[in-house]
Amino acid sequence: GQNIDQPTEMTATEGAIVQINCTYQTSGFNGLFWYQQHAGEAPTFLSYNVLDGLEEKGRFSSFLSRSKGYSYLLLKELQMKDSASYLCAVRDRNSNSGYALNFGKGTSLLVTP
Amino acid sequence: DTAVSQTPKYLVTQMGNDKSIKCEQNLGHDTMYWYKQDSKKFLKIMFSYNNKELIINETVPNRFSPKSPDKAHLNLHINSLELGDSAVYFCASSPSPGTSGDQYFGPGTRLLVL
Repeated sequence: GQNIDQPTEMTATEGAIVQINCTYQTSGFNGLFWYQQHAGEAPTFLSYNVLDGLEEKGRFSSFLSRSKGYSYLLLKELQMKDSASYLCAVRDRNSNSGYALNFGKGTSLLVTP
Repeated sequence: DTAVSQTPKYLVTQMGNDKSIKCEQNLGHDTMYWYKQDSKKFLKIMFSYNNKELIINETVPNRFSPKSPDKAHLNLHINSLELGDSAVYFCASSPSPGTSGDQYFGPGTRLLVL
C-alpha cells in the first residue's frame, strides 16, 4: 500500500489562499486525485495529476512532483462553502486493490469570516 | 439523473443479522468499487470489480461479499454483522482501469449496528 500523508486540519480566512499538501509513497504511480467531501456527503472529484506540473481549474489548482512524491491543492479566493474535508488519493498500478484509489486521511478545512 | 445510486441510505440493524446494500450506475462504466469510511472519516477500498474480475482488499473479512448481476450493478452483502461494521459505505464507478477517468461516488449508505 501507500503512505499518504496530509495535515489533519487547517483554518483560513474567507477571500484568502490556502495550500493543502500531500506526500505519498508508491511503487507504481498511476495518478493522483484530489476530492472534496462536505460533511454527510459523498466525495466529489476536484482534480487529477499524472504528469509533473500544475493543473488549474478555476479557483482550484493542483500540483504534482512525482520525483518528490508530493502534491498540493491550492484554493484561491476562499469562500465559506469551501469548508470541507479535502482528500488526497493515489492510484497505483501495482496495488492489490486493482485500480482503486488509496486515500489519505483527509484535511479538514475551516474557512472563517 | 443520478449517476451512481445506492439503497438504502440509512440502515440500522442488530448485531448478527445479514444485510445487503445495492448499488447501480448509469454511466456505462466498466469498473465498480466499494469503499468503507469509518468514524474517523478514513476512506478505504474494500473491493473493485471489473469485467467479472473481483479484486479484494485482503483486510476485508470474508463476511463481506460483493455480487454483480450485471455491469451496472454491484451489491454488497454482509453476513453476521458486528458492531465494528458501523460506518458509511460508498459505492463508486469509473471508466476502464488505467485511464484518467476519475471515480464517481454514490451518496453513501450509513450503517449502524446495534
